Amino acid sequence: AQSVTQLGSHVSVSEGALVLLRCNYSSSVPPYLFWYVQYPNQGLQLLLKYTTGATLVKGINGFEAEFKKSETSFHLTKPSAHMSDAAEYFCAVNPGGGSQGNLIFGKGTKLSVKP
Amino acid sequence: DGGITQSPKYLFRKEGQNVTLSCEQNLNHDAMYWYRQDPGQGLRLIYYSQIVNDFQKGDIAEGYSVSREKKESFPLTVTSAQKNPTAFYLCASTTAGTRVIDEQFFGPGTRLTVL
Repeated sequence: AQSVTQLGSHVSVSEGALVLLRCNYSSSVPPYLFWYVQYPNQGLQLLLKYTTGATLVKGINGFEAEFKKSETSFHLTKPSAHMSDAAEYFCAVNPGGGSQGNLIFGKGTKLSVKP
Repeated sequence: DGGITQSPKYLFRKEGQNVTLSCEQNLNHDAMYWYRQDPGQGLRLIYYSQIVNDFQKGDIAEGYSVSREKKESFPLTVTSAQKNPTAFYLCASTTAGTRVIDEQFFGPGTRLTVL
């Protein structure tokens, strides 16, 4: 069965430091991959997505992610953290095939940013 | 502006009551989804619908019911059979079709509390 694993339920960084949020997936076919951000008591907002083509994907708010098929990973990075980046981040995969629009979500990583 | 609306934002339910959460979208999306979110659990799929008058159970459908009489609307009823309904509920929608893999768009959520 397809699954998504986000390593670390909580990550804390200092303002200006590198942000690295890890996501590994299992899928029997080439997947479509997504990162979402959620601020408290709000819905999810798409940060970026990988479907086909270039494996380094740039998203909103300075975030980017790289699809590495050999490592089945899609880690999210940002060179310099801002206080406004404090939120919960979800990695999701559409495993393809007949699943159409269905997504499988990881359990989320809560990012804290220290001044 | 196109988007997804959920109402109410906060909902309180007494033991033994059924309550209905509203979800409306004007994005002309075929597929709609209901998720339940609990702390540390990520998003768990309750029900989804790929087309009007058709819907499928997700991973945690017990104690919930849905209808899809109109393309724009996908209400969720939390029945008295749901033993632990206190949670944050998210509705989402996306384009559907075997050749189209797109991101899901999310509403702002409804927080349900059982008194």
